[in-house]
Amino acid sequence: AQSVAQPEDQVNVAEGNPLTVKCTYSVSGNPYLFWYVQYPNRGLQFLLKYITGDNLVKGSYGFEAEFNKSQTSFHLKKPSALVSDSALYFCAVRDTRNAGNMLTFGGGTRLMVKP
Amino acid sequence: NAGVTQTPKFRVLKTGQSMTLLCAQDMNHEYMYWYRQDPGMGLRLIHYSVGEGTTAKGEVPDGYNVSRLKKQNFLLGLESAAPSQTSVYFCASGQGRNSPLHFGNGTRLTVT
Repeated sequence: AQSVAQPEDQVNVAEGNPLTVKCTYSVSGNPYLFWYVQYPNRGLQFLLKYITGDNLVKGSYGFEAEFNKSQTSFHLKKPSALVSDSALYFCAVRDTRNAGNMLTFGGGTRLMVKP
Repeated sequence: NAGVTQTPKFRVLKTGQSMTLLCAQDMNHEYMYWYRQDPGMGLRLIHYSVGEGTTAKGEVPDGYNVSRLKKQNFLLGLESAAPSQTSVYFCASGQGRNSPLHFGNGTRLTVT
């Protein structure tokens, strides 16, 4: 079975400060990991993914994420937050042993960036 | 290029009524998915399809049926709506195991 946990319902950060949104996962094989962002009344938009290779993945809008196999984590980071980064963020995992190609999402973390 | 289009955007049903949600994608993707989004629960997979003519159950399939008669379309049906099916429904499509999903803008369904 595959699962994802986002331990924080909300993260508050001041504009210009670094931000981190946490994600941990559980799979039986190897993980494919994704981050998505959702703005109000919209569908999810892809930010970045980890499939294999370099543990530090860079994505859209200046976001990056670090894959840590020993801690089974894939935390989303940005060096300097913008007010426009305020949104709902979802981590997702797909187990390489999942023949059905199903993606499992975490519960989401609301990021609030204050001016 | 429209991407993934969902219709309708909003719908209110009474308990016991039926309806069909339509999802259309113009990216020639093999895989299509229906998710529901509820507060604090993230997205949960209802049904999915790995190609035209195929469907499979996801995490929460009860009370829903799907069909994929054409590659570009994936229909979600509610035969007898219940208040527990009040949710926001998202359709997504993708190509391959490594590829990200493309989402529609959702259908907000209320069952009274």
